[in-house]
Amino acid sequence: NAGVTQTPKFQVLKTGQSMTLQCAQDMNHEYMSWYRQDPGMGLRLIHYSVGAGITDQGEVPNGYNVSRSTTEDFPLRLLSAAPSQTSVYFCASSSRTGHYEQYFGPGTRLTVT
Amino acid sequence: SQKIEQNSEALNIQEGKTATLTCNYTNYSPAYLQWYRQDPGRGPVFLLLIRENEKEKRKERLKVTFDTTLKQSLFHITASQPADSATYLCALENYGGSQGNLIFGKGTKLSVKP
Repeated sequence: NAGVTQTPKFQVLKTGQSMTLQCAQDMNHEYMSWYRQDPGMGLRLIHYSVGAGITDQGEVPNGYNVSRSTTEDFPLRLLSAAPSQTSVYFCASSSRTGHYEQYFGPGTRLTVT
Repeated sequence: SQKIEQNSEALNIQEGKTATLTCNYTNYSPAYLQWYRQDPGRGPVFLLLIRENEKEKRKERLKVTFDTTLKQSLFHITASQPADSATYLCALENYGGSQGNLIFGKGTKLSVKP
């Protein structure tokens, strides 16, 4: 199993550009989520999904969009990038039949100039 | 809203000693608490989960306690090694949110010196 994969690993955007961060998992997990991690702030939940076709907002959803058309994929879209979105982004998945321990991807380091 | 705090940003200890990390929470009673390890440039990795009705859980050199009266979890690494150097995160289920929706502490960076 590849586990949770994320692409790209690094990305630089200009203010106002849009892009999609990709996330995929091959563990047949129902639950998937996106976090951002900033120095001194810890991991903060952006959006999450409890299954295909179902998404919901987390703590810091503004400026981001998600969709979940398949169990495997959960892309995160930045609609109009801002410098405040400079961060490291992690995708995670977990099984609802377990105790929700989360499996994280390797992260995407995004810089918005 | 619930808060989760890890009381030290950094902890430095000598190899062979026991490292003890603290996680405190307020405003509600979670059904379980989790601990993760994060190495620089990598995603967090799950280590242990402890339920509210468990006082203690062990895994090799790791031990976690959960005191629901004090609203505190302690994470111990015995016979610590330089390879244990990493940031350790505690996480709670987010009360009122969907199951599996976690909130994380900011982490404690552990450095084990030879």
